[in-house]
Amino acid sequence: GNSVTQMEGPVTLSEEAFLTINCTYTATGYPSLFWYVQYPGEGLQLLLKATKADDKGSNKGFEATYRKETTSFHLEKGSVQVSDSAVYFCALPPQGGSEKLVFGKGTKLTVNP
Amino acid sequence: GAGVSQSPRYKVAKRGQDVALRCDPISGHVSLFWYQQALGQGPEFLTYFQNEAQLDKSGLPSDRFFAERPEGSVSTLKIQRTQQEDSAVYLCASSYSPQASYEQYFGPGTRLTVT
Repeated sequence: GNSVTQMEGPVTLSEEAFLTINCTYTATGYPSLFWYVQYPGEGLQLLLKATKADDKGSNKGFEATYRKETTSFHLEKGSVQVSDSAVYFCALPPQGGSEKLVFGKGTKLTVNP
Repeated sequence: GAGVSQSPRYKVAKRGQDVALRCDPISGHVSLFWYQQALGQGPEFLTYFQNEAQLDKSGLPSDRFFAERPEGSVSTLKIQRTQQEDSAVYLCASSYSPQASYEQYFGPGTRLTVT
């Protein structure tokens, strides 16, 4: 089935630094791709998604582009804030039409003031 | 509006005890998922309901794990004869539609510790 490989953390940045968290996928066809975020003490929430190849998902200053050539969906933000400190998960359905999600191991981001 | 709620938030069980974890999905959401999240790992799928029908239970690790959603709303995940390896955070998620591109809304989880 489909799978994701996510950059290992933890990642520590200073405020206003540029962020990249790498995610590559293995998939049959072009499933939807997701980034979820888990803030301390909270449940996972959808950060952004892309439903087809070449789509760009964006939210809260974060962006990720669904690149079929490199089978990647890297998460980027131009200027991180302390409030972005969280764990980020890349995810996709395990096969076409599946309702469930397969998650990466997560990347913990800490942003220092 | 209310999100997905789970109870209890924390549960400590002695090895061999049975536990029941509750999930209240967002009202009107058709799909309900249970995931298990070990420390430092991503969530792993356990089981999926569409309304009251359990359509996929391929992720349940053993026959000690049982889930139900009898009226298509609240769901309960039951673990019988708990073992130490069952210690994890159990996440419930619901979705408006069964389609894979729809957002799953997660609850805060139940942290189960088996001693």
